Amino acid sequence: QKEVEQNSGPLSVPEGAIASLNCTYSDRGSQSFFWYRQYSGKSPELIMSIYSNGDKEDGRFTAQLNKASQYVSLLIRDSQPSDSATYLCAVSEDSNYQLIWGAGTKLIIKP
Amino acid sequence: DVKVTQSSRYLVKRTGEKVFLECVQDMDHENMFWYRQDPGLGLRLIYFSYDVKMKEKGDIPEGYSVSREKKERFSLILESASTNQTSMYLCASLEAGSGQPQHFGDGTRLSIL
Repeated sequence: QKEVEQNSGPLSVPEGAIASLNCTYSDRGSQSFFWYRQYSGKSPELIMSIYSNGDKEDGRFTAQLNKASQYVSLLIRDSQPSDSATYLCAVSEDSNYQLIWGAGTKLIIKP
Repeated sequence: DVKVTQSSRYLVKRTGEKVFLECVQDMDHENMFWYRQDPGLGLRLIYFSYDVKMKEKGDIPEGYSVSREKKERFSLILESASTNQTSMYLCASLEAGSGQPQHFGDGTRLSIL
């Protein structure tokens, strides 16, 4: 059974601090990794994708991938109240088009 | 930008009704997916389709069927709605090619009374 695990939270972070979200996956054949943000009552929206080991930065967001340890993380710098949401980690093999989803981490940014 | 449109944001139906949820994408994507999302259970795949008239069962297909007669449209059908099918339903599409992300519609919150 292929699994993606995330701490459900809630993770509470002060405004302006760095929020760190983690995700581990079981399938060593995984090739593509995605972070989605989901506001309450809304659908998931893609915020980051990462495919190779190391860091990938996009504005205040940095995705980190370590395939040897089978984890992927998302850092949010200068956290804002608008970052309060559930963050979903998703992983795919590429040999098929299905994503394996984590259950999500609820992030709360406190003003 | 990819546009995935679901026909209704909110829908209320009665037990035993046949319910149709429609999803249309405008990017000529080969792959389309239907998920349901329930509190504490995350996203669960119901069905997916990788081409017109092609469909594959996901993790929880029981009580559902799908139709894909045209590339842009993927319909989810609840054959005889039951209260345990009250949920948020999410449609997604995906371009062919490795490493592409799925793009979601706004979702349909379905209540079965």
